Amino acid sequence: DAGITQSPRYKITETGRQVTLMCHQTWSHSYMFWYRQDLGHGLRLIYYSAAADITDKGEVPDGYVVSRSKTENFPLTLESATRSQTSVYFCASIGRQETQYFGPGTRLLVL
Amino acid sequence: AQTVTQSQPEMSVQEAETVTLSCTYDTSESDYYLFWYKQPPSRQMILVIRQEAYKQQNATENRFSVNFQKAAKSFSLKISDSQLGDAAMYFCAYRIPHMDSNYQLIWGAGTKLIIKP
Repeated sequence: DAGITQSPRYKITETGRQVTLMCHQTWSHSYMFWYRQDLGHGLRLIYYSAAADITDKGEVPDGYVVSRSKTENFPLTLESATRSQTSVYFCASIGRQETQYFGPGTRLLVL
Repeated sequence: AQTVTQSQPEMSVQEAETVTLSCTYDTSESDYYLFWYKQPPSRQMILVIRQEAYKQQNATENRFSVNFQKAAKSFSLKISDSQLGDAAMYFCAYRIPHMDSNYQLIWGAGTKLIIKP
């Protein structure tokens, strides 16, 4: 039972570059989420998706783009990375008993 | 606005003892869910326990239990027989039912739990 996988796990990039973070789930869950977590803070919602081809903005969507052409994949793209986007990014999906289950996270450093 | 407050940035406990982490929330809803998540140094977010507001009985999962006080809007987590592996950040989270919230969670700022050997 692989659950949710994220790739890459670690990424270093430069300001202005485009970066795509991948999220894949094996459960066929409808709802998926992208969060960012900065040092000393909880999670902030970037985007979420209710199903394939249905996405919506969360609390902090600026500078990010998502797509969801297949139920199992929910990639997050930073169109032009900025230093303020250095963070740990978590993907999650809704599973049993309406509980969110998280991927292992991607640590992104923007130089 | 719905908010979740964890008033203890850091707590420490002796191994094998009991510790309680506090969480309060603000909502006008009557039906909702509450969660405690654990985040160890690996940064993985792990569900610890879940409570449905309409249930009177406090949720329990092995050494973890909650004290849910709906009127007081309080949702504390009790960890019994603390173990070194319990050392982590603990986050409290709240969610209103699907139709109104699209499953979005409201998060507390977290409590860092230190276990002393």
